[in-house]
Amino acid sequence: NAGVTQTPKFQVLKTGQSMTLQCAQDMNHEYMSWYRQDPGMGLRLIHYSVGAGITDQGEVPNGYNVSRSTTEDFPLRLLSAAPSQTSVYFCASSSWTAGTDTQYFGPGTRLTVL
Amino acid sequence: SQQGEEDPQALSIQEGENATMNCSYKTSINNLQWYRQNSGRGLVHLILIRSNEREKHSGRLRVTLDTSKKSSSLLITASRAADTASYFCATPHMEYGNKLVFGAGTILRVKS
Repeated sequence: NAGVTQTPKFQVLKTGQSMTLQCAQDMNHEYMSWYRQDPGMGLRLIHYSVGAGITDQGEVPNGYNVSRSTTEDFPLRLLSAAPSQTSVYFCASSSWTAGTDTQYFGPGTRLTVL
Repeated sequence: SQQGEEDPQALSIQEGENATMNCSYKTSINNLQWYRQNSGRGLVHLILIRSNEREKHSGRLRVTLDTSKKSSSLLITASRAADTASYFCATPHMEYGNKLVFGAGTILRVKS
């Protein structure tokens, strides 16, 4: 199993550009999430999905869109990048077993917005 | 809003010493989890403790949970240089479909 994969690993954008961060998992997990990590802030939940066709907002959803057309993929879209979106983005997946949510993380995408 | 807060923010110890990190949270929970993050990498799940458990062990890790104080601690015994990493506690947040909400983390440095 590859686990959770993310592409690209690094990206530099100019203000106003759009892009999609890709995330895929091969563990047949129903739950997937996107987090951003900023220095001193820990991880903050952006959006999450409890299954194909179902998405919902987390703590910091503004400026980001997601969709979940398949169980495996959960792309994160930045429609108009802003410098405040400079961060490291992590995708995670999990399976709700025994009432708990242990998450498996991808390696991250480091995004810089100029 | 962050659910968990770790203390201390940073910890530096010698190899072989024990390292203790604390986590406080705000709302009632059914479990609390600890994760480790090596520099430049994603987070890796270490251990989960349920609300009806007071202590749990996994190898050199010991986690305690005090629901009356809304706090947890992670103890790493006989630390090694390879334990150098950031450690995060995470708790499910009902507002976000019980998805995990993470604290800011403790940076642990183990000197050899």
